[in-house]
Amino acid sequence: GDSVTQMEGPVTLSEEAFLTINCTYTATGYPSLFWYVQYPGEGLQLLLKATKADDKGSNKGFEATYRKETTSFHLEKGSVQVSDSAVYFCALSSGNTPLVFGKGTRLSVIA
Amino acid sequence: NAGVMQNPRHLVRRRGQEARLRCSPMKGHSHVYWYRQLPEEGLKFMVYLQKENIIDESGMPKERFSAEFPKEGPSILRIQQVVRGDSAAYFCASSKVGQSNTGELFFGEGSRLTVL
Repeated sequence: GDSVTQMEGPVTLSEEAFLTINCTYTATGYPSLFWYVQYPGEGLQLLLKATKADDKGSNKGFEATYRKETTSFHLEKGSVQVSDSAVYFCALSSGNTPLVFGKGTRLSVIA
Repeated sequence: NAGVMQNPRHLVRRRGQEARLRCSPMKGHSHVYWYRQLPEEGLKFMVYLQKENIIDESGMPKERFSAEFPKEGPSILRIQQVVRGDSAAYFCASSKVGQSNTGELFFGEGSRLTVL
């Protein structure tokens, strides 16, 4: 079945550092890909999405590119802030199947 | 608050008791999804409902768990005879249209169940 694998955390970075969180997927067909973010004590919020190969999703300085050839959707940000500390989930959806999530990567940004 | 509302936010039960978790979707949304998040794990899909119908329950445990979304009122996830392994955060999400590969789910803040 469909699955998402993302890098294990936690990831600890200093403010203004460059962030990459790797995500690869396995799916039949052509899924849509998502990054969700969960701030402490809150539910998940959609951060960005891409619906077809070579699409780039972006939001709040974060971006991810849908790479069909490497089945990847890595999340990047050029300069992280303390307020970016959260758990980040990569997810996919194929047609009408439920969203499938990765295990999440906890990011801690220190001043 | 027009977001997805879940209650209770925290629930403590003893083994063998029943837990009921409620979810009111966003206004205008008729599709509801329940996910479970175990400690240090990702979200696992449990069930997808529309008003008065269960569309996909492939992630629901076969015993003790049930879900409904009546014509009036919130969606309810019911866990009978809880065990310690049921301790988790249960998230509800809603959408305006059915799941599709361009759809976005709107999540509630979750209900954290602790079984003593």
